[in-house]
Amino acid sequence: QKEVEQDPGPLSVPEGAIVSLNCTYSNSAFQYFMWYRQYSRKGPELLMYTYSSGNKEDGRFTAQVDKSSKYISLFIRDSQPSDSATYLCAMSAPRNQGGKLIFGQGTELSVKP
Amino acid sequence: DGGITQSPKYLFRKEGQNVTLSCEQNLNHDAMYWYRQDPGQGLRLIYYSQIVNDFQKGDIAEGYSVSREKKESFPLTVTSAQKNPTAFYLCASSMLVGGESTFGSGTRLTVV
Repeated sequence: QKEVEQDPGPLSVPEGAIVSLNCTYSNSAFQYFMWYRQYSRKGPELLMYTYSSGNKEDGRFTAQVDKSSKYISLFIRDSQPSDSATYLCAMSAPRNQGGKLIFGQGTELSVKP
Repeated sequence: DGGITQSPKYLFRKEGQNVTLSCEQNLNHDAMYWYRQDPGQGLRLIYYSQIVNDFQKGDIAEGYSVSREKKESFPLTVTSAQKNPTAFYLCASSMLVGGESTFGSGTRLTVV
């Protein structure tokens, strides 16, 4: 079993839809949770960063962490064609486990005009 | 502007040759990383470095080598021992290991 599981999609939605992207993880010691967006043939860029259970909002994006269920989500409201990209979740192990980031395999999102 | 620069953007290598991918950052970050990305897959960690003159193997280090002689630079050599080197290679850095990472724009390596 992978430490981080993410549905690879592809996911196709109409413009204006609410998008829900999800990851589950197995290591209860993961401390920090991130979402990256990666456009085709580009490097990932950080979208959201959080370290506690609950919600964090930034514009049309909301990151949600449920540590008890080992589940994180990214919601995109009023999705736009420019949101079409691959979304990667990432989590950091504690220092005594190496402290590295562990990435999900990414979900490919397409927003149709 | 601060950031990470990877070069070249595209690289072609003949079988049996070693090639070196460049990664330079001016963010004053201590930690640097190399990842490999294959189609439809996430990022797999090759090597990482927490500080100058120190580096550790990631999950898929076989066939790769790195050096960290300067804080700003973390070059990756893909050796002839790497059996399937064609991939998209990403360099990243963060203030501390496991922190928010900034990525370069990637190098696409193709073996011909």
